[in-house]
Amino acid sequence: EIVLTQSPGTLSLSPGERATLSCRASQSVRNDRLAWLQQKPGQAPRLLIFRISTRAIGVPDRFSGSGSGTDFTLTISSLEPEDFAVYICHQYGSSPWTFGQGTRLEI
Amino acid sequence: QVQLVQSASELKNPGASVRISCKASGYTFVDFALSWLRQAPGQRLEWMGWISTETGSPTYAQGFTGRFVFSLNTSITTAYLQITGLQTEDTAVYYCARNSPTDLWGQGTLVSVSS
Repeated sequence: EIVLTQSPGTLSLSPGERATLSCRASQSVRNDRLAWLQQKPGQAPRLLIFRISTRAIGVPDRFSGSGSGTDFTLTISSLEPEDFAVYICHQYGSSPWTFGQGTRLEI
Repeated sequence: QVQLVQSASELKNPGASVRISCKASGYTFVDFALSWLRQAPGQRLEWMGWISTETGSPTYAQGFTGRFVFSLNTSITTAYLQITGLQTEDTAVYYCARNSPTDLWGQGTLVSVSS
């Protein structure tokens, strides 16, 4: 099973700032099948990025993903108030699919 | 509107059973498999497995065999998750999500197991 470890656990920033979130996998993610999800309190997760760097439909271009192999990054170029949430990385290249523990982005 | 709509929250006693539904609309049901996922309080998401909407064949992740059953009613574009022998540790929000990647999620169904 691939274990995904995210850092930091909590990131405190202000609107307009740049956020950089990391996700490290215990082994290489197959076929670039690494995604990022956003989850707000009481809501289901929402897909932001898949295949490391492809934005899902409707996702603003301030969100970008990068990385390869075992190290991945989600960058939010200029934070908007609605971006404060939990961000979860997710690999779906190997069974079982697994998820990181999340990074909480707070004001 | 493309969406997955799940059934309402459930409160159950230990040992009982529960069936959660996931109604798909706005897209061709059989074009996408469905996964089931669990999020226990304060825990990371867990993938329980998936079901082929073409064949109805389920695949269960380790730890979700025996008491967990995925099924379909294709005629009403609905998937089901049944859990038998509920335990307090099954208390969680359960999600269905369209594969793959998980680009469409149900709103979640809270199952609370308590005596």
